[in-house]
Amino acid sequence: EAGVAQSPRYKIIEKRQSVAFWCNPISGHATLYWYQQILGQGPKLLIQFQNNGVVDDSQLPKDRFSAERLKGVDSTLKIQPAKLEDSAVYLCASSFRTSGRYEQFFGPGTRLTVL
Amino acid sequence: AQKITQTQPGMFVQEKEAVTLDCTYDTSDPSYGLFWYKQPSSGEMIFLIYQGSYDQQNATEGRYSLNFQKARKSANLVISASQLGDSAMYFCAFRSGAGSYQLTFGKGTKLSVIP
Repeated sequence: EAGVAQSPRYKIIEKRQSVAFWCNPISGHATLYWYQQILGQGPKLLIQFQNNGVVDDSQLPKDRFSAERLKGVDSTLKIQPAKLEDSAVYLCASSFRTSGRYEQFFGPGTRLTVL
Repeated sequence: AQKITQTQPGMFVQEKEAVTLDCTYDTSDPSYGLFWYKQPSSGEMIFLIYQGSYDQQNATEGRYSLNFQKARKSANLVISASQLGDSAMYFCAFRSGAGSYQLTFGKGTKLSVIP
């Protein structure tokens, strides 16, 4: 079974530029998550999708971050314009269900460096 | 909001010895779940073990076991017979049994296994 795919793996941009990350979840997983992991910290949820609808985006900085999950499969996270403090690893995860003992499966992440 | 605490920034353990990684949480929810993830230097989050708040027995998965003390609100991970490949960051995560079921991660513990 293929895991969660993410691209690119690394990205270096200058502040005020824009950047986009792509995620393809495990087949059949209805729920998709985007996390931000700053160095030395645990992942922080940015947005959660159930199929193609948003369940929770309370921690998404909506003035610069946006995300979509068209057709309820793969997803794109965009930052525009980027700030220095956006330097982090962006992790995508998916799960079959949200409750119970269904764990989230994570992708390899995209390491973003903003100069 | 739920709070999850990992008080050990770093731990060392001799190969083949057992080690306990601490995790405490703060919640008033009666239903919740606790997860442990491993994050090697490659960056991918790997699910290790799950404990539900209503589970009568402590969870076990191979060399991993969870010492769940509900009254103390602690969910410590025990790794038996440590191996060099166990060197990684370990994150405890809390999931409420209601709402969006989002995961809240602790700051992690860096485990180093010494040969």
